Amino acid sequence: AQTVTQSQPEMSVQEAETVTLSCTYDTSENNYYLFWYKQPPSRQMILVIRQEAYKQQNATENRFSVNFQKAAKSFSLKISDSQLGDTAMYFCAFARPTTGTASKLTFGTGTRLQVTL
Amino acid sequence: AAGVIQSPRHLIKEKRETATLKCYPIPRHDTVYWYQQGPGQDPQFLISFYEKMQSDKGSIPDRFSAQQFSDYHSELNMSSLELGDSALYFCASSIEGGGSYNEQFFGPGTRLTVL
Repeated sequence: AQTVTQSQPEMSVQEAETVTLSCTYDTSENNYYLFWYKQPPSRQMILVIRQEAYKQQNATENRFSVNFQKAAKSFSLKISDSQLGDTAMYFCAFARPTTGTASKLTFGTGTRLQVTL
Repeated sequence: AAGVIQSPRHLIKEKRETATLKCYPIPRHDTVYWYQQGPGQDPQFLISFYEKMQSDKGSIPDRFSAQQFSDYHSELNMSSLELGDSALYFCASSIEGGGSYNEQFFGPGTRLTVL
């Protein structure tokens, strides 16, 4: 079974600054997918960024980037130029590739990020 | 673009009552997932369906059952409701991975309150 650990329950960052959220995971799989989801106060689950384990290059999406360290089983999210709208709960998640079946997401416990003026 | 539809959005029930949550996946999506998110918790996987067959089962109580119908919509039936069942229930849909992984698109959730 896979486990996902987020050791930072809460974090705070000032607007326009950079913040890094940490995530570690445990799996015996060699091929898998990692994600960061954002859950704002509306409670909608929004995919922020995804990383395929077989890709060495770190994924980036505008102000969001990851630092994927496969050997260390670490997957951190960096948010640059933080904006008030980034205030949300952030979940790290894991999934396996599938053929002819579904692939559930396993989530970490989340990090609550507060962006302040 | 069409999104995942969940109904109802809010539901209030008494203990020991029954509730039915519905999920309408994005058109042409063949896979449906149900997750339960308690207050202050992360979403926990309950059950999934691929092509109308149960695919995987997580921490779903025996009091809960679910199915996926011929039109691919899914229903989560919850009986003998307990206070601890109060949560946000997400449905997500995707296209089967075909050896890869395709994004799960989440619905807005159904907020169930058990009194």
